Amino acid sequence: AQSVSQHNHHVILSEAASLELGCNYSYGGTVNLFWYVQYPGQHLQLLLKYFSGDPLVKGIKGFEAEFIKSKFSFNLRKPSVQWSDTAEYFCAVKGSSNTGKLIFGQGTTLQVKP
Amino acid sequence: DAGVIQSPRHEVTEMGQEVTLRCKPISGHNSLFWYRQTMMRGLELLIYFNNNVPIDDSGMPEDRFSAKMPNASFSTLKIQPSEPRDSAVYFCASTFRDRNTEAFFGQGTRLTVV
Repeated sequence: AQSVSQHNHHVILSEAASLELGCNYSYGGTVNLFWYVQYPGQHLQLLLKYFSGDPLVKGIKGFEAEFIKSKFSFNLRKPSVQWSDTAEYFCAVKGSSNTGKLIFGQGTTLQVKP
Repeated sequence: DAGVIQSPRHEVTEMGQEVTLRCKPISGHNSLFWYRQTMMRGLELLIYFNNNVPIDDSGMPEDRFSAKMPNASFSTLKIQPSEPRDSAVYFCASTFRDRNTEAFFGQGTRLTVV
C-alpha cells in the first residue's frame, strides 16, 4: 500500500540554523514526490516537486530536496532558516502508474525562533 | 484562473444536522481530492475522483460521509448526521491526473460541530 512517513513531528530551530526534514515513502512503482508548506491559518502551497531527472530539486524560498530512490526518501533541506519559515511542512507522494492517488505524511511543525 | 474554490469558509452547526461542503476545481483538471485535517490525525485523504468518477473512498470514515461529483466543475462532501468529532478543516484539491503537475488546494472549510 502507498504510504508516507515523516520522521519529525515538531522541530524548533533558531534563525540561521540549517534544516533537514525527513520523509520516507512506500510504493512499488514510479512516484511523483512533493513538499507542501502550510502557513498558520492558510491552505497548502507547493514548495517543490520531483517527477524525474536530477534527484536534487530546488524549490521556492531557498528550499531543496533530494530524492534517493534506494532509500525511498525525499528529505527537505534549507541551509539557513528564517522566522518566516515557521509553518507546517508536508511530504506527499503520488504513484504515477496507478490511478493518481495523492497521499500526505503526518506533517512536521517547524518553529523558528528569532 | 481563480484556483480551487471552496465554500463555505467556515461552518458552525449543531450535532445531528446535515452539512454540505462544496468545491469547484480548477477548470480542466480531471482529478479531485477531498482531505480532512485535524491535529490528531494530520491530513487524511477521504476520497478522490478521476473524470468525475470516485476511485477510492476508503478514507471516508463512516457511512455518514458521502461525496459526489456530478460534473467536472463541482463536487460536494456531505455529512449526515454531523457529530462533534467531525470538527476539522476540510480541503479540496485538484490536478491533472496524467500530467506531471502538482495538486492545487482550496482555502479549506473549517467545520465546527457543537
